[in-house]
Amino acid sequence: EAQVTQNPRYLITVTGKKLTVTCSQNMNHEYMSWYRQDPGLGLRQIYYSMNVEVTDKGDVPEGYKVSRKEKRNFPLILESPSPNQTSLYFCASSLRGAEAFFGQGTRLTVV
Amino acid sequence: AQSVTQLDSQVPVFEEAPVELRCNYSSSVSVYLFWYVQYPNQGLQLLLKYLSGSTLVESINGFEAEFNKSQTSFHLRKPSVHISDTAEYFCAVLYNTDKLIFGTGTRLQVFP
Repeated sequence: EAQVTQNPRYLITVTGKKLTVTCSQNMNHEYMSWYRQDPGLGLRQIYYSMNVEVTDKGDVPEGYKVSRKEKRNFPLILESPSPNQTSLYFCASSLRGAEAFFGQGTRLTVV
Repeated sequence: AQSVTQLDSQVPVFEEAPVELRCNYSSSVSVYLFWYVQYPNQGLQLLLKYLSGSTLVESINGFEAEFNKSQTSFHLRKPSVHISDTAEYFCAVLYNTDKLIFGTGTRLQVFP
């Protein structure tokens, strides 16, 4: 089954404790991206990657890191999480010029 | 700047009534248009898309949207809604095949 898989689905952590949210897709898509969803703001892009070893900042990259060492994986790293990073996070993948497929989301709470 | 506007944050409607969710975007030479739906506690699912061809596109569950280039709009319509259509709907625009930008979403609430 074609899918984008994120883990974990739910995460509660403390301020400053490094964490990683994993994302994997099995559709051989070259394009992957991370979004955060906040009430009233819709989805805002954090980082995106157009292919292996190619990443670039989206609209709200501060406080986040990503890497793309393999085509299928695109982890999101929060080196020092803060409460304002409490949000619902989505990973997505696509072929260029086509619709995006989304993971089920990761609800992160930073206390 | 590229932007997508969904003016209605919430749309309440009674079951079997028609509904229109509005979406406008900033103009660009090349745009692909999408509507995604998000049911409670779930991810985003593609509802319908316009890439090329006929400007009127339809989904399998009765929604339709029309690409209007002159008005830079891609409004979503359904002639008769069901309770199960209650969800949040996001309009998204892919600019120049690279940048996917979302609107802020419209929460459709269908009442019996």
